[in-house]
Amino acid sequence: QLQLQESGPRLVQPSETLSLTCTVSGGSISSNDCYWAWIRQPPGKGLEWLGSIYYSGSTYYKMSLKSRITISIDTSKSQFSLKLNSVTAADTAVYYCARLDEAPGAFDIWGQGTMVTVSS
Amino acid sequence: DIVMTQSPDSLAVSLGERATINCQSSQSVLNRSNNKNYLNWYQQKAGQPPKLLIYWASTRYSGVPDRFSGSGSGTDFTLTISSLQAEDVAVYYCQQYYSRPSFGPGTKVEIK
Repeated sequence: QLQLQESGPRLVQPSETLSLTCTVSGGSISSNDCYWAWIRQPPGKGLEWLGSIYYSGSTYYKMSLKSRITISIDTSKSQFSLKLNSVTAADTAVYYCARLDEAPGAFDIWGQGTMVTVSS
Repeated sequence: DIVMTQSPDSLAVSLGERATINCQSSQSVLNRSNNKNYLNWYQQKAGQPPKLLIYWASTRYSGVPDRFSGSGSGTDFTLTISSLQAEDVAVYYCQQYYSRPSFGPGTKVEIK
């Protein structure tokens, strides 16, 4: 069955760029009925959707992050990626990648998440 | 942006009793073209990613026990666990997809 796995540095310096990759296995990243998404969860807090990408490369982002975020996709590697620049301690969180089933707009498959800490 | 609120923040329910969680959106999430409410519910257990329980406000996702049910329309929604089991201890989130996705703050369910 479809599985997602996040990877990337666990520690990022303040003002630097956070970069994560999500690898999709057990299914096609080029499906035309879903988007791929990044969601984060600060320690002890709730869920925050960051942005989504379609296999064609079309993206949409949380408006408050639009100036700092880039999501890209590499269908040949079955991967999509997150870049968040100018990070601060407020960006410390567990970062999840997820599949967004477009029909109901529901995140139906999630990665296990990766904890990223912003600290010097 | 659509803002989602949930109540209560937490609740403690005896095993076998009913748990009810409310979710409200700052504007309607009902798509009148297809009469679907773009409101989903998730369960997140400690140390795990969230799991989809309910989509379109009232449709159970594959494999979800029928003690979980969703209801509501427009701006007001409810998740009900009809008979709480020990494995239902978790934080529950609502999420809308009428516009850019947003989540509610979560409701923590514990055993009394």
